[in-house]
Amino acid sequence: AQTVTQSQPEMSVQEAETVTLSCTYDTSESDYYLFWYKQPPSRQMILVIRQEAYKQQNATENRFSVNFQKAAKSFSLKISDSQLGDAAMYFCAYSFNTDKLIFGTGTRLQVFP
Amino acid sequence: DTGVSQDPRHKITKRGQNVTFRCDPISEHNRLYWYRQTLGQGPEFLTYFQNEAQLEKSRLLSDRFSAERPKGSFSTLEIQRTEQGDSAMYLCASSLGAGAPTDTQYFGPGTRLTVL
Repeated sequence: AQTVTQSQPEMSVQEAETVTLSCTYDTSESDYYLFWYKQPPSRQMILVIRQEAYKQQNATENRFSVNFQKAAKSFSLKISDSQLGDAAMYFCAYSFNTDKLIFGTGTRLQVFP
Repeated sequence: DTGVSQDPRHKITKRGQNVTFRCDPISEHNRLYWYRQTLGQGPEFLTYFQNEAQLEKSRLLSDRFSAERPKGSFSTLEIQRTEQGDSAMYLCASSLGAGAPTDTQYFGPGTRLTVL
């Protein structure tokens, strides 16, 4: 069975600094999809970034980028130039065949001014 | 595009009562998903629909849970004989369902259920 593990329950960063959130996963599939979702307090979950496993190039979306290490089954999220609005729960998720998502337990990110 | 909507946003019920939640997906989205999120955990998949067909159900979905999407548009999730362990946030998501690598799930605000 596929599993997603986020070993950092909480992280903190100072505004304008860079932070990296870790995620590892387990799967026997060779083609799959990985995602980072952001869930602000009392607000709905939104997609931050996605990565297709068949792509070697790491995905980037403005200040957000990933470090995808397929052999190590690692998928970390780097947030550059952190902003107060980045404070939220961040969930790493896996999907095979773009159907159901399997989520990790999340990392709570605090951003300090 | 008004986004995924869910109703009600909050529901408090007594143990043993039945509850029903509604989800309205983004228009023209063929796939609709239900997840459950308990405090301090990530969402867990419950079930999903492709149009009106229910394609997969999780083992988490006991026989007290039933979901429908009768016309391929909105969906309902019913919980019969609620138990305190059912207290959670119930999330709905929708996607185009085209099977493309770029298919993305968009989430609603959730329905928070409290069973007393």
